[in-house]
Amino acid sequence: AQKITQTQPGMFVQEKEAVTLDCTYDTSDPSYGLFWYKQPSSGEMIFLIYQGSYDQQNATEGRYSLNFQKARKSANLVISASQLGDSAMYFCAMREVRTSGSRLTFGEGTQLTVNP
Amino acid sequence: GAVVSQHPSRVICKSGTSVKIECRSLDFQATTMFWYRQFPKQSLMLMATSNEGSKATYEQGVEKDKFLINHASLTLSTLTVTSAHPEDSSFYICSVRRASTPNSPLHFGNGTRLTVT
Repeated sequence: AQKITQTQPGMFVQEKEAVTLDCTYDTSDPSYGLFWYKQPSSGEMIFLIYQGSYDQQNATEGRYSLNFQKARKSANLVISASQLGDSAMYFCAMREVRTSGSRLTFGEGTQLTVNP
Repeated sequence: GAVVSQHPSRVICKSGTSVKIECRSLDFQATTMFWYRQFPKQSLMLMATSNEGSKATYEQGVEKDKFLINHASLTLSTLTVTSAHPEDSSFYICSVRRASTPNSPLHFGNGTRLTVT
């Protein structure tokens, strides 16, 4: 079974609007972490935001916030006030503390295009 | 600033030759590094975990004799693609974890785009 599922291969958003990128996960490990990365066309992987399984509040980092719904096993990324430079591939990833240590498992990614 | 340096960023080689990719942690000692592979428009797939001073741990389906990993020092891991074939053409990217706290992300190098002709 897929551990990380990103159901949106591509998303489009108008500049200055908000966009939500979906991510659902599957794990039986009670302790896990969820990460979002941005990958521009240059290929580098840029860490955006982290949510721990025991965190009570949704994570926020500037224009990025994470809509964490533990019971539904979803960790959607919300980007507010989109900018042209936000156009990139976005990956959701999970670390299962007990079973995978430091390794991250990645979803298939969502290609975000911000239109002017 | 950059945490991980990966070299080369791009390499073209002929079928049958070997290619070495270096991954360096810049300002800390990394006992463990991770090598990922990414085909165009696809996700990152973990190939192997590189362990300083011991053998690498390979993921299922990854040929250890084809993808040789050496982690001889606390700041350097190398991936050698031996007897490369066109199907080995891919984006290879290494990563390290700077701290052992739960919220510590993986920091990635800029990747190496390998083309085998």
